[in-house]
Order: sequence, then C-alpha cells, then structure tokens
Amino acid sequence: GEDVEQSLFLSVREGDSSVINCTYTDSSSTYLYWYKQEPGAGLQLLTYIFSNMDMKQDQRLTVLLNKKDKHLSLRIADTQTGDSAIYFCAEPLSGTYKYIFGTGTRLKVLA
Amino acid sequence: DVKVTQSSRYLVKRTGEKVFLECVQDMDHENMFWYRQDPGLGLRLIYFSYDVKMKEKGDIPEGYSVSREKKERFSLILESASTNQTSMYLCASSLRLSYNEQFFGPGTRLTVL
Repeated sequence: GEDVEQSLFLSVREGDSSVINCTYTDSSSTYLYWYKQEPGAGLQLLTYIFSNMDMKQDQRLTVLLNKKDKHLSLRIADTQTGDSAIYFCAEPLSGTYKYIFGTGTRLKVLA
Repeated sequence: DVKVTQSSRYLVKRTGEKVFLECVQDMDHENMFWYRQDPGLGLRLIYFSYDVKMKEKGDIPEGYSVSREKKERFSLILESASTNQTSMYLCASSLRLSYNEQFFGPGTRLTVL
C-alpha cells in the first residue's frame, strides 16, 4: 500500500535526544524527506537523504536510512523547546508527481 | 526568498456555500498541490497540477475542484461546503521533477458551520 507510518506522539526532556521513526513504502524513492511544521504554520523542509546513503548528519540532526527494512529515522541531539513541532517524513512516489506524507509525529519538549 | 502564499489564514463558511481557496507561488514552479491536514491522518492530497490548465485527482478529490489558469496560481474550490470539509488546507509547489522539495504555504484553517 501507500501508507507511510509514524508514531503520533513523542515527549522528551530538554537536552535529551529525540528519535522520530518512519516506515515508508516505495523502495525506489530517490530522496526521502523530513519536514517540520511549527504551530500555526505550513511545513518546512528540515532535511533529506539521498536513497544511496545510509546516514546524513546536519548539525544537531542525524538521518538514518535502512533500505532493507524501509525504515527512516530522524535524531535530534540536545533537543530544545524550539524543536517542539510536528515532524513528517515524506517520500516521492516514483513515476508520479505525488508525495506520500506520514501521519506526522508531534514532538513535545519538556523544560 | 521562495514564497507560497494563501489568500486567507482563517475562514468560516456555512454549509452549502461555494468556497474559493487561493494559492500563489513566486518561484516559477511547474507543480502545485492542494492537501488537507487532519489530526492523526497526516496530509492527504486533494488535487495537483503539473502545468497550466492541467490537473490530476489526488487521493480525496470528492467534493472539490481546482483551477489553474496561470502558472503561479492554483485555486481550490469547494462547490458546496459541508461540515466534514472543516480542516486545515495546505498549498505547496515544486519544480517539475517528482523528487524535488515541496514548498508550502502557511495554510488556511477552514471551518464549515
């Protein structure tokens, strides 16, 4: 099917690491994306990973890709209150213009 | 700076009204999309357009139509609004190739009474 799955909620304490997981469907996706949606706003691209990579690091963000299991994760180091948002993983559906978005994970950072 | 704008942040309409949601992008993007966002359901694609006057149905097109007369503008039309169309509506645009990043507008929260 075309479902991209994420857990709905995650709560962490400020300064801890957060790990948001995603299971995607299309093994031929060229890129996989993480978007962030802050309260009352649209989605903004946070980071992405090319499908031939296993890991990508970008400051406090680490993306891990396990193609065999179709599993994508986003790790946020030293999580801050400003990281509180909804995080969506997304995959472009090959052969179409469509993206499939996950259900979104609401991250709550406790001070 | 890339920009996608939506005509309203908040709208309140009555059941049966015809509703127009406008989206404009200034990036000369070929692709434009309309999604609705509901808690626990993520983003669901209503319609998308890959060129002027071209459109394709997404996953939930029932009760909606779209118009793309100019490259920069993509309109979503609710022919006869119903309460189950109360939602957050997000517009996005991207360059031609399917794997390109999508840029989103701020969203329109529509309430149908």
